[in-house]
Amino acid sequence: EVRLLESAGGLVQPGGSLRLSCAASGFTFSSYAMSWVRQAPGQGLEWVSTMSGSGVNTYYADSVKGRFTISRDNSKNTLYLEMNSLRVEDTALYYCAKDAGGISFLDSWGQGTLVTVSS
Amino acid sequence: SYVLTQPPSVSVAPGQTARIICGGDKIGSKNVHWYQQKPGQAPVLVVHDDSDRPSGIPERFSGSNSGNTATLTISRVEAGDEADYYCQVWDGSPDHHYVFGTGTKVTVL
Repeated sequence: EVRLLESAGGLVQPGGSLRLSCAASGFTFSSYAMSWVRQAPGQGLEWVSTMSGSGVNTYYADSVKGRFTISRDNSKNTLYLEMNSLRVEDTALYYCAKDAGGISFLDSWGQGTLVTVSS
Repeated sequence: SYVLTQPPSVSVAPGQTARIICGGDKIGSKNVHWYQQKPGQAPVLVVHDDSDRPSGIPERFSGSNSGNTATLTISRVEAGDEADYYCQVWDGSPDHHYVFGTGTKVTVL
């Protein structure tokens, strides 16, 4: 059974930083791309970033490019999202999700972790 | 950047058929995937690659895709189908982005 467990989010001041992690189990982690998707309160889903299984290829939404960095440690079956220069509009529930095979769709999701950016 | 448009809401009586559309430029040339999200829960994949169902998803959920419109059809709607539904594509060129639709709230009357 695929399991994805995000670390606790938190309250951060605008301009601050936060690192999220996602512990994966139940599948061969290094064989799959992984993604972060966020959902602002009462809003729809917004893709944030994707990293290939090997870690060679990374992709970012324009809204976070240059501020967020996705990474992974395949020896620890863990995905990360380093978030810098946080803005109020980054406030959202952040989901870790597993890509199905190639980068096409997301077949498993974590329960999400809330990040609140506020002064 | 590529945009997917969905109606904000669809209402349907139990036992009837709900159709949720997802509009995008030449979307028929892309693979479309659909997610169901119930309140307070993470999204769940219900249809992938236009019309394939993951294991465990009832046959009542089906999909189609042609031209500028993709459609998720829920047959014999049940109260438990009440949820938000999102379409999604991978925009591989030139942006290399996942793109989600705006979402449709399905209300079972």
